[in-house]
Amino acid sequence: GQQLNQSPQSMFIQEGEDVSMNCTSSSIFNTWLWYKQDPGEGPVLLIALYKAGELTSNGRLTAQFGITRKDSFLNISASIPSDVGIYFCAGRGSSNTGKLIFGQGTTLQVKP
Amino acid sequence: GAVVSQHPSRVICKSGTSVKIECRSLDFQATTMFWYRQFPKQSLMLMATSNEGSKATYEQGVEKDKFLINHASLTLSTLTVTSAHPEDSSFYICSARLLVGGYTFGSGTRLTVV
Repeated sequence: GQQLNQSPQSMFIQEGEDVSMNCTSSSIFNTWLWYKQDPGEGPVLLIALYKAGELTSNGRLTAQFGITRKDSFLNISASIPSDVGIYFCAGRGSSNTGKLIFGQGTTLQVKP
Repeated sequence: GAVVSQHPSRVICKSGTSVKIECRSLDFQATTMFWYRQFPKQSLMLMATSNEGSKATYEQGVEKDKFLINHASLTLSTLTVTSAHPEDSSFYICSARLLVGGYTFGSGTRLTVV
Protein backbone atom coordinates (compact mmCIF):
# COMPACT_ATOMS: atom_id res chain seq x y z
CA GLY A 1 0.00 0.00 0.00
CA GLN A 2 0.95 3.64 -0.10
CA GLN A 3 3.43 4.82 2.51
CA LEU A 4 4.89 8.14 3.47
CA ASN A 5 8.41 8.57 4.77
CA GLN A 6 8.73 11.61 6.98
CA SER A 7 12.01 13.03 8.23
CA PRO A 8 13.56 13.92 10.48
CA GLN A 9 11.96 11.85 13.23
CA SER A 10 12.78 14.49 15.83
CA MET A 11 14.44 17.88 16.13
CA PHE A 12 15.73 19.84 19.08
CA ILE A 13 16.44 23.44 18.16
CA GLN A 14 17.09 26.83 19.69
CA GLU A 15 14.34 29.43 19.72
CA GLY A 16 14.63 31.65 16.65
CA GLU A 17 16.07 28.97 14.39
CA ASP A 18 14.40 27.86 11.19
CA VAL A 19 13.10 24.30 10.83
CA SER A 20 12.57 22.11 7.81
CA MET A 21 10.92 18.71 7.53
CA ASN A 22 9.82 16.69 4.55
CA CYS A 23 7.82 13.74 3.36
CA THR A 24 8.39 11.47 0.41
CA SER A 25 6.37 8.73 -1.16
CA SER A 26 6.91 6.06 -3.75
CA SER A 27 3.51 6.84 -5.24
CA ILE A 28 1.70 9.95 -6.39
CA PHE A 29 -0.59 11.96 -4.16
CA ASN A 30 -3.21 14.50 -5.25
CA THR A 31 -3.26 16.37 -1.96
CA TRP A 32 -0.65 17.04 0.68
CA LEU A 33 -1.63 18.21 4.14
CA TRP A 34 0.49 19.27 7.09
CA TYR A 35 -0.84 18.90 10.65
CA LYS A 36 0.39 19.72 14.14
CA GLN A 37 -0.63 17.58 17.09
CA ASP A 38 -0.29 18.61 20.71
CA PRO A 39 -0.22 15.91 23.42
CA GLY A 40 -3.66 14.43 24.04
CA GLU A 41 -5.26 16.34 21.19
CA GLY A 42 -6.33 15.63 17.65
CA PRO A 43 -4.29 16.94 14.70
CA VAL A 44 -4.85 20.52 13.63
CA LEU A 45 -4.44 21.50 9.99
CA LEU A 46 -1.58 23.88 9.24
CA ILE A 47 -1.39 23.97 5.47
CA ALA A 48 -3.19 22.22 2.62
CA LEU A 49 -1.66 21.78 -0.84
CA TYR A 50 -3.70 20.74 -3.85
CA LYS A 51 -1.53 21.30 -6.94
CA ALA A 52 1.91 20.10 -7.93
CA GLY A 53 4.43 22.88 -7.47
CA GLU A 54 2.15 24.84 -5.15
CA LEU A 55 3.94 26.89 -2.51
CA THR A 56 1.75 28.11 0.34
CA SER A 57 2.46 30.13 3.45
CA ASN A 58 0.60 30.44 6.72
CA GLY A 59 2.36 32.97 8.92
CA ARG A 60 5.80 31.60 9.71
CA LEU A 61 4.99 28.31 8.02
CA THR A 62 5.66 27.54 4.37
CA ALA A 63 4.93 24.29 2.59
CA GLN A 64 5.37 23.08 -0.95
CA PHE A 65 3.79 20.35 -3.03
CA GLY A 66 6.59 18.71 -5.00
CA ILE A 67 6.46 18.82 -8.77
CA THR A 68 6.70 15.03 -8.98
CA ARG A 69 3.69 14.83 -6.62
CA LYS A 70 5.67 12.40 -4.53
CA ASP A 71 7.02 14.77 -1.93
CA SER A 72 6.33 17.82 0.19
CA PHE A 73 8.21 19.93 2.69
CA LEU A 74 7.27 22.18 5.58
CA ASN A 75 9.43 25.05 6.81
CA ILE A 76 8.97 26.94 10.04
CA SER A 77 10.84 30.20 10.32
CA ALA A 78 11.98 31.89 13.50
CA SER A 79 10.74 29.14 15.78
CA ILE A 80 9.14 29.98 19.11
CA PRO A 81 8.47 27.77 22.16
CA SER A 82 4.81 27.22 21.24
CA ASP A 83 5.92 25.51 18.03
CA VAL A 84 6.70 22.47 20.17
CA GLY A 85 4.67 19.46 19.13
CA ILE A 86 4.46 16.67 16.62
CA TYR A 87 4.12 17.56 12.95
CA PHE A 88 2.57 15.13 10.51
CA CYS A 89 2.37 15.15 6.77
CA ALA A 90 -0.61 13.42 5.20
CA GLY A 91 -1.32 12.57 1.60
CA ARG A 92 -4.45 11.70 -0.28
CA GLY A 93 -4.25 9.56 -3.38
CA SER A 94 -6.46 9.38 -6.40
CA SER A 95 -9.02 6.96 -5.05
CA ASN A 96 -12.54 8.17 -4.28
CA THR A 97 -12.38 6.91 -0.72
CA GLY A 98 -10.72 10.10 0.44
CA LYS A 99 -8.44 8.18 2.79
CA LEU A 100 -5.43 9.98 4.15
CA ILE A 101 -2.06 8.34 4.65
CA PHE A 102 0.00 9.84 7.47
CA GLY A 103 3.74 10.15 7.79
CA GLN A 104 5.49 8.93 10.91
CA GLY A 105 5.66 12.41 12.40
CA THR A 106 8.42 14.86 13.36
CA THR A 107 8.72 15.73 17.03
CA LEU A 108 9.89 19.30 17.46
CA GLN A 109 11.36 20.65 20.67
CA VAL A 110 12.34 24.29 20.99
CA LYS A 111 14.75 25.50 23.62
CA PRO A 112 13.97 29.03 24.83
CA GLY B 1 -15.33 26.43 10.88
CA ALA B 2 -16.41 22.81 10.73
CA VAL B 3 -16.09 21.19 14.14
CA VAL B 4 -16.22 17.55 15.16
CA SER B 5 -16.98 16.96 18.82
CA GLN B 6 -15.55 13.70 20.17
CA HIS B 7 -16.54 12.15 23.51
CA PRO B 8 -15.41 10.99 25.91
CA SER B 9 -11.94 12.51 25.97
CA ARG B 10 -10.74 9.88 28.42
CA VAL B 11 -12.16 6.56 29.53
CA ILE B 12 -10.93 3.78 31.73
CA CYS B 13 -12.69 0.45 31.51
CA LYS B 14 -12.28 -3.04 32.83
CA SER B 15 -11.04 -5.80 30.62
CA GLY B 16 -13.92 -7.59 28.91
CA THR B 17 -16.27 -4.63 28.86
CA SER B 18 -17.30 -2.51 25.88
CA VAL B 19 -16.70 1.18 25.33
CA LYS B 20 -18.48 3.52 22.96
CA ILE B 21 -16.83 6.60 21.48
CA GLU B 22 -18.95 9.25 19.77
CA CYS B 23 -18.10 11.81 17.15
CA ARG B 24 -20.61 14.49 16.22
CA SER B 25 -20.33 17.04 13.47
CA LEU B 26 -21.63 20.23 15.04
CA ASP B 27 -22.30 22.57 12.14
CA PHE B 28 -22.14 20.45 9.04
CA GLN B 29 -23.20 17.10 7.69
CA ALA B 30 -20.52 14.43 7.66
CA THR B 31 -21.22 11.89 4.95
CA THR B 32 -17.87 10.22 5.52
CA MET B 33 -16.02 9.72 8.79
CA PHE B 34 -12.66 8.10 9.36
CA TRP B 35 -11.53 6.37 12.55
CA TYR B 36 -7.88 6.27 13.52
CA ARG B 37 -5.88 4.65 16.29
CA GLN B 38 -2.65 6.13 17.57
CA PHE B 39 -0.22 4.38 19.90
CA PRO B 40 2.25 6.43 21.96
CA LYS B 41 4.93 8.12 19.87
CA GLN B 42 3.46 6.69 16.69
CA SER B 43 1.50 8.00 13.76
CA LEU B 44 -2.22 7.82 13.09
CA MET B 45 -3.25 4.49 11.64
CA LEU B 46 -6.53 4.35 9.77
CA MET B 47 -8.87 1.73 11.16
CA ALA B 48 -11.98 2.19 9.07
CA THR B 49 -14.01 4.48 6.87
CA SER B 50 -17.68 4.95 7.68
CA ASN B 51 -20.28 6.28 5.31
CA GLU B 52 -23.68 7.41 6.49
CA GLY B 53 -26.28 4.72 6.03
CA SER B 54 -23.93 1.97 4.93
CA LYS B 55 -21.49 -0.51 6.39
CA ALA B 56 -18.04 0.68 7.35
CA THR B 57 -15.01 -0.30 5.33
CA TYR B 58 -12.25 -1.68 7.53
CA GLU B 59 -8.54 -1.56 6.85
CA GLN B 60 -6.62 -4.79 6.60
CA GLY B 61 -5.93 -6.32 9.97
CA VAL B 62 -8.69 -4.45 11.82
CA GLU B 63 -11.30 -6.76 13.36
CA LYS B 64 -14.71 -5.49 12.38
CA ASP B 65 -16.45 -7.55 15.03
CA LYS B 66 -14.29 -6.01 17.71
CA PHE B 67 -14.43 -2.41 16.52
CA LEU B 68 -18.07 -1.76 15.69
CA ILE B 69 -18.74 1.39 13.72
CA ASN B 70 -22.15 2.92 13.30
CA HIS B 71 -22.87 5.95 11.14
CA ALA B 72 -26.63 6.11 11.29
CA SER B 73 -26.99 9.84 10.76
CA LEU B 74 -25.18 12.61 8.95
CA THR B 75 -24.02 14.12 12.22
CA LEU B 76 -23.06 11.12 14.34
CA SER B 77 -20.61 8.27 14.00
CA THR B 78 -19.75 5.91 16.83
CA LEU B 79 -16.96 3.44 17.46
CA THR B 80 -17.60 0.68 19.98
CA VAL B 81 -14.65 -1.31 21.25
CA THR B 82 -16.16 -4.63 22.28
CA SER B 83 -14.69 -6.96 24.88
CA ALA B 84 -11.82 -4.59 25.40
CA HIS B 85 -8.41 -5.88 26.43
CA PRO B 86 -5.33 -4.03 27.66
CA GLU B 87 -3.78 -4.16 24.19
CA ASP B 88 -6.72 -2.07 22.95
CA SER B 89 -5.53 0.80 25.12
CA SER B 90 -4.75 3.60 22.70
CA PHE B 91 -5.70 7.07 21.49
CA TYR B 92 -8.67 6.92 19.12
CA ILE B 93 -9.39 9.84 16.78
CA CYS B 94 -12.21 10.47 14.36
CA SER B 95 -12.09 12.67 11.29
CA ALA B 96 -14.78 13.98 8.99
CA ARG B 97 -14.31 14.66 5.33
CA LEU B 98 -15.60 18.08 4.35
CA LEU B 99 -17.64 18.70 1.22
CA VAL B 100 -15.49 21.69 0.32
CA GLY B 101 -12.38 19.56 0.65
CA GLY B 102 -10.16 18.90 3.57
CA TYR B 103 -10.75 17.15 6.82
CA THR B 104 -11.52 18.08 10.39
CA PHE B 105 -10.44 15.96 13.33
CA GLY B 106 -11.97 15.24 16.71
CA SER B 107 -9.95 15.90 19.83
CA GLY B 108 -9.38 12.22 20.46
CA THR B 109 -10.29 9.67 23.13
CA ARG B 110 -7.69 8.16 25.41
CA LEU B 111 -8.82 4.60 26.18
CA THR B 112 -7.19 2.71 29.02
CA VAL B 113 -8.24 -0.89 29.60
CA VAL B 114 -7.30 -2.28 33.01
